Amino acid sequence: DVKVTQSSRYLVKRTGEKVFLECVQDMDHENMFWYRQDPGLGLRLIYFSYDVKMKEKGDIPEGYSVSREKKERFSLILESASTNQTSMYLCASSTNDGNQPQHFGDGTRLSIL
Amino acid sequence: AQSVTQPDIHITVSEGASLELRCNYSYGATPYLFWYVQSPGQGLQLLLKYFSGDTLVQGIKGFEAEFKRSQSSFNLRKPSVHWSDAAEYFCAVAPFFNKFYFGSGTKLNVKP
Repeated sequence: DVKVTQSSRYLVKRTGEKVFLECVQDMDHENMFWYRQDPGLGLRLIYFSYDVKMKEKGDIPEGYSVSREKKERFSLILESASTNQTSMYLCASSTNDGNQPQHFGDGTRLSIL
Repeated sequence: AQSVTQPDIHITVSEGASLELRCNYSYGATPYLFWYVQSPGQGLQLLLKYFSGDTLVQGIKGFEAEFKRSQSSFNLRKPSVHWSDAAEYFCAVAPFFNKFYFGSGTKLNVKP
């Protein structure tokens, strides 16, 4: 089975801090994704990456950046955390086969105080 | 622009009753279609997927979904709901292999 591991289940940080969320997948997937999930809004794509060192903006990239130095690892960075970034963050991965789903990690619930 | 609509935010059904969760999408061609389930505090787990062929697809946990091209719908069904099915359900469409659009979710409560 595909395993997508997010480094923290819960995280509490302060306003203005630089925050790193880490995600690792073990299936050699080409594509990796970061979403944020808020009640009533579903999942919104922040960034995705289709190859090492490649990234594409999603629907809500403002205030975030990403890093993909190795194929299995995709990091989400909050450059200067703000309270409106308090949310659940979900990482996913997928292959380039058109008929394959995205596989998700368990999520990181991030609180910015 | 592509969009996915799940018109029901909350649904409550009695254990043993049947269930139908609605999903409509807006896209010119037939995209790839998925249903995911999310238990509290967890990530999303794939229930089933549709790419082509038979419009009725079977998934895990006794769920099925029917694709109706004329209605741009992909509704999820289960004949008899169990208390463990209480969760949030998300419909997703993928017009491209690496671009998924998710609905806002439907929370299912199951009454004993």
